[in-house]
Amino acid sequence: NAGVTQTPKFRILKIGQSMTLQCTQDMNHNYMYWYRQDPGMGLKLIYYSVGAGITDKGEVPNGYNVSRSTTEDFPLRLELAAPSQTSVYFCASSYSTGTGGTEAFFGQGTRLTVV
Amino acid sequence: AQSVAQPEDQVNVAEGNPLTVKCTYSVSGNPYLFWYVQYPNRGLQFLLKYITGDNLVKGSYGFEAEFNKSQTSFHLKKPSALVSDSALYFCAVRATTDSWGKFQFGAGTQVVVTP
Repeated sequence: NAGVTQTPKFRILKIGQSMTLQCTQDMNHNYMYWYRQDPGMGLKLIYYSVGAGITDKGEVPNGYNVSRSTTEDFPLRLELAAPSQTSVYFCASSYSTGTGGTEAFFGQGTRLTVV
Repeated sequence: AQSVAQPEDQVNVAEGNPLTVKCTYSVSGNPYLFWYVQYPNRGLQFLLKYITGDNLVKGSYGFEAEFNKSQTSFHLKKPSALVSDSALYFCAVRATTDSWGKFQFGAGTQVVVTP
């Protein structure tokens, strides 16, 4: 299994450009998440999903959009990129069990710079 | 609402000495608790989790953590630190009642182990 795969690993955008960060997982997990990591600020939840077709906003959703058309894929769309969106973005997935919670599995991250 | 506090931005320890990284949490109801480690330019790697049962949890690379419900703490420990343990450590909480499976992460603690 590849786990959680994110592409691209690095990207430089100009202000006002748009892009999509790709995330796919091959573990059949129902939960998926997008986080951003800013220096000294820990991880902030952008969007999350409990299954195909079901998404909701996290702490910092402004400037982003998501879709979940399949269990495997959870792309994050940046419209009109701004310097404040310069960050490292992590996609993660997890699943629920009848007896307890499971840990999240993380991708390797996408380092985005907006100039 | 759930929250996680990691009161120390950085912990310095000499190789061979015990290592402790502190974490306290706030959550409605009972928690699932997790520790992750992040090496430079990498994603988060799962270390250990508390779901239920024994308050002392053992994980990867010789790490362990103790769940203390009365103090709402979940401190990470290692009896003898290695230079290779130098990394960024994150504590995370997830409410057992949260059907969306959302994780709340602390701000992270940088561990520096000196030879």
